[in-house]
Amino acid sequence: EADIYQTPRYLVIGTGKKITLECSQTMGHDKMYWYQQDPGMELHLIHYSYGVNSTEKGDLSSESTVSRIRTEHFPLTLESARPSHTSQYLCASSPSTGGTGGYTFGSGTRLTVV
Amino acid sequence: AQSVTQLGSHVSVSEGALVLLRCNYSSSVPPYLFWYVQYPNQGLQLLLKYTTGATLVKGINGFEAEFKKSETSFHLTKPSAHMSDAAEYFCAVNTGFQKLVFGTGTRLLVSP
Repeated sequence: EADIYQTPRYLVIGTGKKITLECSQTMGHDKMYWYQQDPGMELHLIHYSYGVNSTEKGDLSSESTVSRIRTEHFPLTLESARPSHTSQYLCASSPSTGGTGGYTFGSGTRLTVV
Repeated sequence: AQSVTQLGSHVSVSEGALVLLRCNYSSSVPPYLFWYVQYPNQGLQLLLKYTTGATLVKGINGFEAEFKKSETSFHLTKPSAHMSDAAEYFCAVNTGFQKLVFGTGTRLLVSP
């Protein structure tokens, strides 16, 4: 049973629309992450958070924004979707225990912008 | 800085054959090492991890990996491949309070 939930699983949307990808976890993890993954498989970190009111940009520049108002919730927003945003978006979380636990991933949201 | 190199973007084996997926890491301090598996249209699932202690680590689905400090390697193996093992596999390294650094992934293809 998944402890980190992403909705929707699949989304097809028109160019220029505003979208929010939801990510929630029930494990009480402080750290949360958003990755973008294109068909070539490589994972690119686009945002992360180390706790409430903490957000940082990742290694890959992204036009998306995130917020962390509650520990369990880490939504990602695109103000104006473009075809170049078509990708799979993966959310993950980890505890603040020095990195030994690894990350727990959600099932992902596959976004298509037409 | 820490990094991970996965040798071979694609590995093909026959059902029943040995699976060997290679991972080499670079780290200035003792690393924590992980292998994840990703099935189509899914997120990543933790297969196994090395933190401290025994260098041979057993994971789910019959996979295991051995941490070899002298070779800076953490290769993933399975004695006998099954069709259901076909997936993407990611190696990752963490040195404590840093973010996980992932390799570029290896696609395992299993033929009957």
